[in-house]
Amino acid sequence: GQSLEQPSEVTAVEGAIVQINCTYQTSGFYGLSWYQQHDGGAPTFLSYNGLDGLEETGRFSSFLSRSDSYGYLLLQELQMKDSASYFCAVRDRGSTLGRLYFGRGTQLTVWP
Amino acid sequence: GAGVSQSPSNKVTEKGKDVELRCDPISGHTALYWYRQRLGQGLEFLIYFQGNSAPDKSGLPSDRFSAERTGESVSTLTIQRTQQEDSAVYLCASSLVPSSNEQYFGPGTRLTVT
Repeated sequence: GQSLEQPSEVTAVEGAIVQINCTYQTSGFYGLSWYQQHDGGAPTFLSYNGLDGLEETGRFSSFLSRSDSYGYLLLQELQMKDSASYFCAVRDRGSTLGRLYFGRGTQLTVWP
Repeated sequence: GAGVSQSPSNKVTEKGKDVELRCDPISGHTALYWYRQRLGQGLEFLIYFQGNSAPDKSGLPSDRFSAERTGESVSTLTIQRTQQEDSAVYLCASSLVPSSNEQYFGPGTRLTVT
């Protein structure tokens, strides 16, 4: 089966750096994605890691270690608008191509 | 261009009634997905379409749930004989192809069953 674990809540202050971890179990692994969802809003895609290493997109970076079944999302220079829920998601080789499995989400609160 | 749209944005229905939720994907996107999100929870996969066919319906929670897609465009999720546990936000997403890394989500339909 598939399971993803991520912390339920993280808090930080403006300007700080925060790391949201995600560990997963799959029967086969394609890649790890991250989505952001503001309260009452639609999830929006942030990043994808198919290979080990760090992917950087502006203030956000995502890391993957396939050997450890682990990834993280790194948010730098935090801003109030980064307060949102962050979901990791995996695609599993043992499932149909279009199926994504999502974690329960991490609620990030950024304080002034 | 236009994003994914869903209607209605909110739906309140009585237990036992049927409801239909609509999704209009981004034009040209061959893959379309339905998810359910209960309050404070993650996204629960329901079904996805490749064109008008559904290769994976395994996430539909019961036979009260069904979905169809026509013209490789609009999709309808139908819930028959609604129950209170069906109350949730139903999200639709689309992507260019099923193997696309990025899915584009609509704003969702908030369903409340009283």
